[in-house]
Amino acid sequence: EAGVAQSPRYKIIEKRQSVAFWCNPISGHATLYWYQQILGQGPKLLIQFQNNGVVDDSQLPKDRFSAERLKGVDSTLKIQPAKLEDSAVYLCASSLILGAWGNEKLFFGSGTQLSVL
Amino acid sequence: RKEVEQDPGPFNVPEGATVAFNCTYSNSASQSFFWYRQDCRKEPKLLMSVYSSGNEDGRFTAQLNRASQYISLLIRDSKLSDSATYLCVVNMENTDKLIFGTGTRLQVFP
Repeated sequence: EAGVAQSPRYKIIEKRQSVAFWCNPISGHATLYWYQQILGQGPKLLIQFQNNGVVDDSQLPKDRFSAERLKGVDSTLKIQPAKLEDSAVYLCASSLILGAWGNEKLFFGSGTQLSVL
Repeated sequence: RKEVEQDPGPFNVPEGATVAFNCTYSNSASQSFFWYRQDCRKEPKLLMSVYSSGNEDGRFTAQLNRASQYISLLIRDSKLSDSATYLCVVNMENTDKLIFGTGTRLQVFP
């Protein structure tokens, strides 16, 4: 079974530039998540999709971050303009269903490591 | 108070030792609890879910204490390969939003 695919693996940009990350979840997984993981911290949820609808984006800095999942399959996360504090690993995860509170197993991609200089 | 709190460690233990981590959560209505493992520069992977009755998987035992709002992970007979960061994960009240702790780093030495 193919896992969650993410690209690029690494990205280095200067502050105020824009950047985009791509994620393709496991086939058939309705729920897709974007997490930000800063070094030494746990993953922080940025946005959660159920099919092509947003379930939660309360922690997404909407003045600079945007995400979409137009066809309910793959997703892109964009940062524009980037700041130094955006340096982190951006993890995409997917899960089979939404609502199984006792069995919400997340499958993570390898992540995109972003460095903002 | 943080929603999910963990001691960041590191916990340095010799091979064969037993080690335990605790994780406290702030929302008494949380219903789903998990332990994820994250190796250095890798993505998190589910280690085990935590059930009300507690559960065991080989050398790993997870327990939930609702009264004191914490979950624990016990690792017996530690192996070098157990060296990793262990992330505590809890759902937000009445939602599927999963909150990760900062993780507890374990280093097992020969």
